[in-house]
Amino acid sequence: GIQVEQSPPDLILQEGANSTLRCNFSDSVNNLQWFHQNPWGQLINLFYIPSGTKQNGRLSATTVATERYSLLYISSSQTTDSGVYFCAVEFTGNTPLVFGKGTRLSVIA
Amino acid sequence: DAGVIQSPRHEVTEMGQEVTLRCKPISGHNSLFWYRQTMMRGLELLIYFNNNVPIDDSGMPEDRFSAKMPNASFSTLKIQPSEPRDSAVYFCASRRDGNEKLFFGSGTQLSVL
Repeated sequence: GIQVEQSPPDLILQEGANSTLRCNFSDSVNNLQWFHQNPWGQLINLFYIPSGTKQNGRLSATTVATERYSLLYISSSQTTDSGVYFCAVEFTGNTPLVFGKGTRLSVIA
Repeated sequence: DAGVIQSPRHEVTEMGQEVTLRCKPISGHNSLFWYRQTMMRGLELLIYFNNNVPIDDSGMPEDRFSAKMPNASFSTLKIQPSEPRDSAVYFCASRRDGNEKLFFGSGTQLSVL
């Protein structure tokens, strides 16, 4: 069936470290987005990236649609990066966005 | 733009009571989504509307749940009667038609005692 799998499920980083979060999906997609849920529960859209590479400050994302994965890079992590990162995918056929279970990131000073 | 606006932010009610959650999407957005988030099940889509018409309500748990969108700037999610297992954070989200970014409201934390 339709699947969105994220890894790792949990990640602890020292402030200043870099990290890579991965999202694998089971079928071809026409929409992929990354979200950050902060410790107060707010869901913030980071990237709309069905293919290619985008950068926004210390964050960047790459989606390789033909190989069915997307990566989110966080460089020089800060404590404010803590929270849960979700990948959400809309599969071809206009299904609504399906969310992965997320990666919980804790950045410690 | 004020973003997606949800009310109330918190709701505590007793089992059996009716609960109504409200959402105002971003102006100009014509798709609206209701999601529920729990520890056990993560983020689940309940229902979504396009141009005020319900498109997919297959995620609505049971007949106790209903959703309406009487106009482009307002939607409600109603639970009647509520049960303790309905306790969760309910999010509303909106986007413009096509493959555009999805924007979430701040959510409603519902506790059914």
